[in-house]
Amino acid sequence: RKEVEQDPGPFNVPEGATVAFNCTYSNSASQSFFWYRQDCRKEPKLLMSVYSSGNEDGRFTAQLNRASQYISLLIRDSKLSDSATYLCVVVGYSSASKIIFGSGTRLSIRP
Amino acid sequence: GAGVSQSPSNKVTEKGKDVELRCDPISGHTALYWYRQSLGQGLEFLIYFQGNSAPDKSGLPSDRFSAERTGGSVSTLTIQRTQQEDSAVYLCASSGNRQGISQFFGPGTRLTVL
Repeated sequence: RKEVEQDPGPFNVPEGATVAFNCTYSNSASQSFFWYRQDCRKEPKLLMSVYSSGNEDGRFTAQLNRASQYISLLIRDSKLSDSATYLCVVVGYSSASKIIFGSGTRLSIRP
Repeated sequence: GAGVSQSPSNKVTEKGKDVELRCDPISGHTALYWYRQSLGQGLEFLIYFQGNSAPDKSGLPSDRFSAERTGGSVSTLTIQRTQQEDSAVYLCASSGNRQGISQFFGPGTRLTVL
């Protein structure tokens, strides 16, 4: 089983729709969680951090469920510009902390 | 302000040659990370630096790969005797003091081994 798993998609939704995807992780000792966005042939860019209490930034909401060991990203009122690959990142804690990127979920917003 | 920069942006080399990739992190960022990403794949962690030391080298795929960081700033990733499977985009990222806190990525070096 991979340490971090994401549905690769692609998710193909119409503009204005609400879309959500999850990312599961296997290490219960994981400490920090993030969502990154990566446009085609570009570097990843931080979208938002993920907290147990939830985190909302405009149309984007991120949630952490420690009991079930997954994080989620919800995008409301999707825009064409939201089309990208969304990577979840899980950071462990040890003397040599591990940073694991999921393989990404592709999202395509159609007009 | 200046972000993370990497050079070269593209590198084409012949199998068996050595290559050196460079990363200039954001000024003041003590943590530096190297990843590689093959076409259509996720990011593969290679190595992490805190200052000049590398507490986690667990991701280096073989002993042909090495990295160093000097002066707590610039880092170089060296691949010796390159193989075709080394072809990928090599990404560098830096972050502030606390490891794992949001990383800022450079544009990457696209390495092609013929």
